[in-house]
Formats: sequence, C-alpha cells, structure tokens
Amino acid sequence: NAGVTQTPKFRILKIGQSMTLQCTQDMNHNYMYWYRQDPGMGLKLIYYSVGAGITDKGEVPNGYNVSRSTTEDFPLRLELAAPSQTSVYFCASSYSIPGEQINTIYFGEGSWLTVV
Amino acid sequence: AQTVTQSQPEMSVQEAETVTLSCTYDTSENNYYLFWYKQPPSRQMILVIRQEAYKQQNATENRFSVNFQKAAKSFSLKISDSQLGDTAMYFCAFMKHEYGGSQGNLIFGKGTKLSVKP
Repeated sequence: NAGVTQTPKFRILKIGQSMTLQCTQDMNHNYMYWYRQDPGMGLKLIYYSVGAGITDKGEVPNGYNVSRSTTEDFPLRLELAAPSQTSVYFCASSYSIPGEQINTIYFGEGSWLTVV
Repeated sequence: AQTVTQSQPEMSVQEAETVTLSCTYDTSENNYYLFWYKQPPSRQMILVIRQEAYKQQNATENRFSVNFQKAAKSFSLKISDSQLGDTAMYFCAFMKHEYGGSQGNLIFGKGTKLSVKP
C-alpha cells in the first residue's frame, strides 16, 4: 500500500542551486498536486495536474516548475533556490471526474527542504 | 477569494473528554467542500472528516463529528472520548466545487494545535 511517495524526505540546498522533488502514486489517480507548508501555516497549492500532459499554476507557483509525462509521476523542479523556498513540500493525488463529486485527496509524507 | 479562519492556535483536553475546534470561512460560492485534516508530529496529512455543502446532515466518523452551519459559515470539529493519539495539529480546509475545471485547491486555515493530556 505505497499510496503517494515523495523523495527525498530531507534536503539542504545552497542558494542558487536547483533540485527536483520526486512524487509518484500507485493509485491510478488522475489529479496530482504540490503544496508547500511554511512554519505555523496551512498548506498552499503550488501546481496541480488534472492528467498526463496537463499542468496548471496554483496559488504560489513562482520559482517552481512541474511536468506530468505519466499518470504516476509529478516531479517538482526548484530553479535557483532561495531562502524563501525553505518549507515542507507535500505531494498529493486524487481521482476526480470534472463536474462530479470529488474524492479524497491523499497526501505523501512530506519533503523537508532548507535553503541556506 | 476564499479564506479559512481558525481562531484557536492551541487547545488542550484531558484524555476521555470532549473538545471542539472552531473554524469559520468566507466564500461567495454555494457549492463547496469542507475538510478537517490532522497533522501529527510526523507531519503526514491525514483526512479526518469531510462535509459537502449541499448536505444538511452533519458528517460523522466514529469519535469525530462536525457542526456545519452554512448560513453562519461555520464548521467546527468535535472530538469525543479524546485519546492520546489525537494529539496533533488540526487544519480546517475549504475547496470549491468547479465544473469541468480544477479541483484540489484546498484553502487551509493556520491550524489548531491540540494536546491531549493523560
């Protein structure tokens, strides 16, 4: 029962470096999401995807890029890391039919990223 | 824009007692969903309960129940028979229902830290 798997779980980056957070789900969900959680705050949506080949911006997309080449994978790319990107990142997925009742959104365990 | 407010940053309750966490939200939407998520120290986000706005009946999941007041835009969570394992951050979240478009933009409150004391 893997669900949503994120790697790495912890990473320290230097300012200006780039990296990719990996996310994969084995539930055949069409929707996938990336959220970030800053200290003392709730989660905010960075990017989401409604299916392979389709991505769109969420509330806080600046400084990030995503791709969705397969149903299972939804990597998040950080270009030119900045201290403001220090956060915990959550990948999530759900199966939804547009216009119909949504199903539960399942979260991964989070990736702690520190930019120094 | 939608907002979610949790006015209680921290709460504590004795084991086996009942506690209620408050949540209010602001929206002009008529169709939407409300959620309570639990985040234990492990940081994993765990869905506790969900409520569809079109349903008048309050959702219940074992020891967890909600008091959904649509007109007042209030969505409180009641935890009965509190257990030590209920110690966690609790987040209230809102999602609007969109036809043919994006789904999954959960708007979260800042959370309430609940401590269950033995």
